[in-house]
Amino acid sequence: NAGVTQTPKFRILKIGQSMTLQCTQDMNHNYMYWYRQDPGMGLKLIYYSVGAGITDKGEVPNGYNVSRSTTEDFPLRLELAAPSQTSVYFCASSHTANTEAFFGQGTRLTVV
Amino acid sequence: GNSVTQMEGPVTLSEEAFLTINCTYTATGYPSLFWYVQYPGEGLQLLLKATKADDKGSNKGFEATYRKETTSFHLEKGSVQVSDSAVYFCALSAGGANSKLTFGKGITLSVRP
Repeated sequence: NAGVTQTPKFRILKIGQSMTLQCTQDMNHNYMYWYRQDPGMGLKLIYYSVGAGITDKGEVPNGYNVSRSTTEDFPLRLELAAPSQTSVYFCASSHTANTEAFFGQGTRLTVV
Repeated sequence: GNSVTQMEGPVTLSEEAFLTINCTYTATGYPSLFWYVQYPGEGLQLLLKATKADDKGSNKGFEATYRKETTSFHLEKGSVQVSDSAVYFCALSAGGANSKLTFGKGITLSVRP
């Protein structure tokens, strides 16, 4: 039972570099989400998807891009990394919007 | 838009104390309400949920009742344990084709032996 798998767990980026955070789920869930978690700020939604081929912006999409070519995968792309993107990133999935969301273990990203 | 407001933290309690964490919401329609818990170094996991007014969600001794008249979903536990130390998030989903989970800021609970 893998659930939601995120890679990498930790990463240090230099300002201006790019990277992709990987997320895959094996539960055949339609909904997938990317959140960032900053101390004392809770979770902010970056992007979400309600099914393969469909993505939409959340609260804080600037500086990020996503794609959803398959049901299983929902990668998050950071272009031109900035210190403000230092955060812990969580991927999650759910069958519908009203059912339990399952979270990955998170990716701790530091931009220096 | 939809929003969730949680009481300010952190909260520190002694073992076996009574716990209440307040949560109120603003949403259109009839949202589903959730409490998630995050243990140190881990992702979030569902603690309990309620999908309609007057429903009570319960799990691991925690309870929360969906109160539509006060737009609240307060989390309670009669006797906390050290192992309950974690961050607790209230969340809602208002349903609909493109609905999504909206979280509160979370509150850190520390339980002393």
